[in-house]
Amino acid sequence: GESVGLHLPTLSVQEGDNSIINCAYSNSASDYFIWYKQESGKGPQFIIDIRSNVGEKKDQRIAVTLNKTAKHFSLHITETQPEDSAVYFCAASMSARGQNFVFGPGTSLAVLP
Amino acid sequence: GAGVSQSPSNKVTEKGKDVELRCDPISGHTALYWYRQSLGQGLEFLIYFQGNSAPDKSGLPSDRFSAERTGGSVSTLTIQRTQQEDSAVYLCASSPDLEAFFGQGTRLTVV
Repeated sequence: GESVGLHLPTLSVQEGDNSIINCAYSNSASDYFIWYKQESGKGPQFIIDIRSNVGEKKDQRIAVTLNKTAKHFSLHITETQPEDSAVYFCAASMSARGQNFVFGPGTSLAVLP
Repeated sequence: GAGVSQSPSNKVTEKGKDVELRCDPISGHTALYWYRQSLGQGLEFLIYFQGNSAPDKSGLPSDRFSAERTGGSVSTLTIQRTQQEDSAVYLCASSPDLEAFFGQGTRLTVV
């Protein structure tokens, strides 16, 4: 089965700096990777995804990179803002239907003024 | 709204009672997931429904937990004879294909 883990449970960055949150997965057959953001008291919200045939994907200040050889993918936030403070969850799955998402434990991002 | 709706948002129950949690997915989404999130923890997979296929129940922690999805839409998660360790936020998500959309969750407290 798949297991997904984050390298750091917490991350503190200065406002305006760039943030990188890394996630490792175990199943080389996983081909779909996704990041969610969870603010306090709310359900996780989708922020970005990537398929295994792509190495990088960007959406404004957010980007995701995938290293299939190392079996890890990373969330990049440029010019981190206070509103980026949240818990970030990564998940991996096989895109064939019938496969559920395996989530990592989450990284809490704190943006310092 | 067109999002995933869960009810109730909060539920306090006495140990030993049964509870039912409801999830209204986004219309047309064929996949539906239940996850459990304990305080400060990650998302623990419980059960997954995909269309008319048999559900993946591999994450249910005990036989006190069960879930149904009627007519390929609304789902209920039932916990029988609740225990204090069942206290958590129960999250439902639905998906049209790959990306999953989460509801706000039901916070269950067993006293």
